[in-house]
Order: sequence, then structure tokens, then C-alpha cells
Amino acid sequence: NAGVTQTPKFQVLKTGQSMTLQCAQDMNHNSMYWYRQDPGMGLRLIYYSASEGTTDKGEVPNGYNVSRLNKREFSLRLESAAPSQTSVYFCASRTGPGANVLTFGAGSRLTVL
Amino acid sequence: AQSVSQHNHHVILSEAASLELGCNYSYGGTVNLFWYVQYPGQHLQLLLKYFSGDPLVKGIKGFEAEFIKSKFSFNLRKPSVQWSDTAEYFCAVYSDYKLSFGAGTTVTVRA
Repeated sequence: NAGVTQTPKFQVLKTGQSMTLQCAQDMNHNSMYWYRQDPGMGLRLIYYSASEGTTDKGEVPNGYNVSRLNKREFSLRLESAAPSQTSVYFCASRTGPGANVLTFGAGSRLTVL
Repeated sequence: AQSVSQHNHHVILSEAASLELGCNYSYGGTVNLFWYVQYPGQHLQLLLKYFSGDPLVKGIKGFEAEFIKSKFSFNLRKPSVQWSDTAEYFCAVYSDYKLSFGAGTTVTVRA
């Protein structure tokens, strides 16, 4: 099925460990996004990529890095995980101007101990 | 930066009651407005959207929303809720390549 695929779905890390969340979309969308969802705070934008080859910081970029590997894939890396990064992470993609609807992945639940 | 405010954190209703969730945003320029819903254990799904034209928009599952430009508001309504409407609802505003979300409103519908 077409859509946004995230891996892994669940991950437990120890403080200081690193990991990469993978995201791929097969809808030929130009823009891709990483959000984190925390109780009572809605979804906050971490990084986004308006088009292949570009990335920009969102509201809460500290502690994260991203790579727009190609048009399909947009990964989120935690270099040194902290308990404050315990969250549910959502990847999303959007097609070009005039169609500003984001399609979301199923989410990745990350726990940092 | 864009900010989005949702008026209620948690709403509890009985089936067949009417629902209205408030949403206000801060940006004064051209915006696209959305309501997303997240059912328990699921990811976000688009409920409805406003880009331009008729300020009263209809979405899926009997939901509608009204855009009032002068009040920077985009309130969500449903005349008669069902138990299956139990979910978290997010208002979102798209501008400058980014989609900004409100904190969400948890709606619990009691049978």
C-alpha cells in the first residue's frame, strides 16, 4: 500500500546510545517531516526537508540530525540519546505547492532509560 | 513563528451530544487549516481541511469546521457524537512549508 513507512516501531535505548529512525514514502512527495508527540504538547516539528537536497530546523531540533538520502527517504538520528527524547516520533510527507496535506506514518515509540 | 491554540484539553460527552472544539492561530497571512484525528493506538488521519472558498468545510464522519478569518479561528463541530468518536483531535495550520499543531483535545464519548 502507498504511504509513509517508519522503522522501527518500538525502540528502547540507554542514555548516551545512538540510533537512527528511518522513514520512506512511495508517493513521490517533495517534502518530508519529522515530528515528536508528547502528552499535552501536540506534535512538534523537529526537522523538515522541503525538497530533495535541503533540510531545515523546526521547533525542537536540538539533539537530532537528519539526512534526506533521496526523494523517498528521510532519516532522523539521535547521536547521544537522553531521557528527554523519550517520545513517539512521526514522519510525514507532503506533495508540492497547492496540495499542503501531510500524510503521516504509523509512528515510532522511543524510550530512553 | 506560528502558534496554534486549542481551547480544551479534555472533553467528556455522552453519545448524541453535540461537540465543538475551539482552535485559534496566530499567523495573519494566507494559511491552510486542518483538523487531524488520532484514534487510540493509531496514527494521525486527516479529518478535514480549508484552503480557500466557502469558510464552512465538511469532512469525514459528519464533522465540519468553520473558518472565521477575523477571529483567526477554525472551530470543529459535530452535531451528534458517537462512541467511536473517542479520540484525540488536533488543529493544525500550514504556512511557510511547515505544519504547526495545537496541543490536542482528548474527546471521550460515553455510551
